[in-house]
Amino acid sequence: DAGVIQSPRHEVTEMGQEVTLRCKPISGHNSLFWYRQTMMRGLELLIYFNNNVPIDDSGMPEDRFSAKMPNASFSTLKIQPSEPRDSAVYFCASSLATGLPPSEQFFGPGTRLTVL
Amino acid sequence: AQSVTQLDSQVPVFEEAPVELRCNYSSSVSVYLFWYVQYPNQGLQLLLKYLSGSTLVESINGFEAEFNKSQTSFHLRKPSVHISDTAEYFCAVSNFNNDMRFGAGTRLTVKP
Repeated sequence: DAGVIQSPRHEVTEMGQEVTLRCKPISGHNSLFWYRQTMMRGLELLIYFNNNVPIDDSGMPEDRFSAKMPNASFSTLKIQPSEPRDSAVYFCASSLATGLPPSEQFFGPGTRLTVL
Repeated sequence: AQSVTQLDSQVPVFEEAPVELRCNYSSSVSVYLFWYVQYPNQGLQLLLKYLSGSTLVESINGFEAEFNKSQTSFHLRKPSVHISDTAEYFCAVSNFNNDMRFGAGTRLTVKP
């Protein structure tokens, strides 16, 4: 298995531009998570999906952020418009949730976003 | 909601010395505890986990952690570290709804 795939690996954009980050979870996994990592705030959970349905988006910082999961093999995180403070590494993770106990999350390599 | 506190942001240690990375959690319900490791420019990888049963859990590369309910702790230890253990280590707690919360991380630097 190729693991969790994220694209692009690096993104440099200018303030005000739209940014779309993509994630392909591990085949067969039914839960998907988006995290943001910065030096100041550490690793933050932004949103997670279960069976393609958003379960908790309380970590999404503002309305400029949106996430979708149109099918079991693809998710996007969009920032529109982007701001310099959005610069961070964004991780996608997936797991096979079968109830209790909770399952291991498998992380992608991350997308390093720089907003100038 | 559950939360995790990692008491040390950075831990420098010499090669072959023992190390302990501290983790305390808070939760009003039963918890499941994890340690993840992040090597430079990579995503997080599971190191070990406590779900139930024996309170002492081990990883394949010599790390161990002990779940202590009375002290709400899940400290990570290794009796002798290697240069290759240099990485950032994250403690995480999850409950029945699969919502996992990570600590701020501890950067372990092993010096020769």
